[in-house]
Amino acid sequence: KAGVTQTPRYLIKTRGQQVTLSCSPISGHRSVSWYQQTPGQGLQFLFEYFSETQRNKGNFPGRFSGRQFSNSRSEMNVSTLELGDSALYLCASSPLGAGVYNEQFFGPGTRLTVL
Amino acid sequence: AQKITQTQPGMFVQEKEAVTLDCTYDTSDPSYGLFWYKQPSSGEMIFLIYQGSYDQQNATEGRYSLNFQKARKSANLVISASQLGDSAMYFCAVKAAGNKLTFGGGTRVLVKP
Repeated sequence: KAGVTQTPRYLIKTRGQQVTLSCSPISGHRSVSWYQQTPGQGLQFLFEYFSETQRNKGNFPGRFSGRQFSNSRSEMNVSTLELGDSALYLCASSPLGAGVYNEQFFGPGTRLTVL
Repeated sequence: AQKITQTQPGMFVQEKEAVTLDCTYDTSDPSYGLFWYKQPSSGEMIFLIYQGSYDQQNATEGRYSLNFQKARKSANLVISASQLGDSAMYFCAVKAAGNKLTFGGGTRVLVKP
C-alpha cells in the first residue's frame, strides 16, 4: 500500500505570494491533518479534514486554509506569505474516525522557503 | 489542552547500548494515546510505538519499549541495542479525542560507533 505523498517536496516563494501544498493520504484513509514544523515553534497542528469537512483547527491566522476533496486528497493554502511561514509542512493521514487509538501516518513533508 | 515536555534536547549513545528518552505530559482527558515518532534528517515522521492510557502493560515494538507511568504522567521511550541508523530526532506526542497530535520539543539522538 502506498504511503502518504506530498507535493511538491520543496518550494521557494517570495513574501506576499500565495502557495498551495498537496497531500494524498493512504488509500482508504479519510482523515488528513496538517502540521507546521519550525525550529522556533516546533511541531504545531494546523487543521484536520475528515470527509471533506474541517473537523479541527489549530491557532493559525486565516491566511492558512485548507480543503479536502471527495477522494480524500487535501490541499493547504497559505496566502500573503510572510518570512515566518518558512517551515516544513507535514501531512498525516488516519483511518476512519477520531479515536485516541488511531495512528497518524506522515508524509515526507513540503519544505517551504519564503524569501 | 495537552502539553508535552521532553527535557533532553540532545544526547549521545554508544552503538549497541540502550538509551532512554524522557517524556512527561499533561492532559485533563481521561482517555488519551501516547505516541513516539522518529524524524531522520530527511524530515519524514516515522511512527515507532503507541501506548493507550488504559493499557495495563507497557507497549513494546521490536527494539522500542515504552516505560509508561500513568500516575507520574510519564512515557519514556527505551531504545535497546542502538544502531547508527537510530541517529535522529525523537518526538513524543499525545492525542486525546480528535486527530490532533500535540508534540514535545524533541530529543536529538546521535549514535556513536
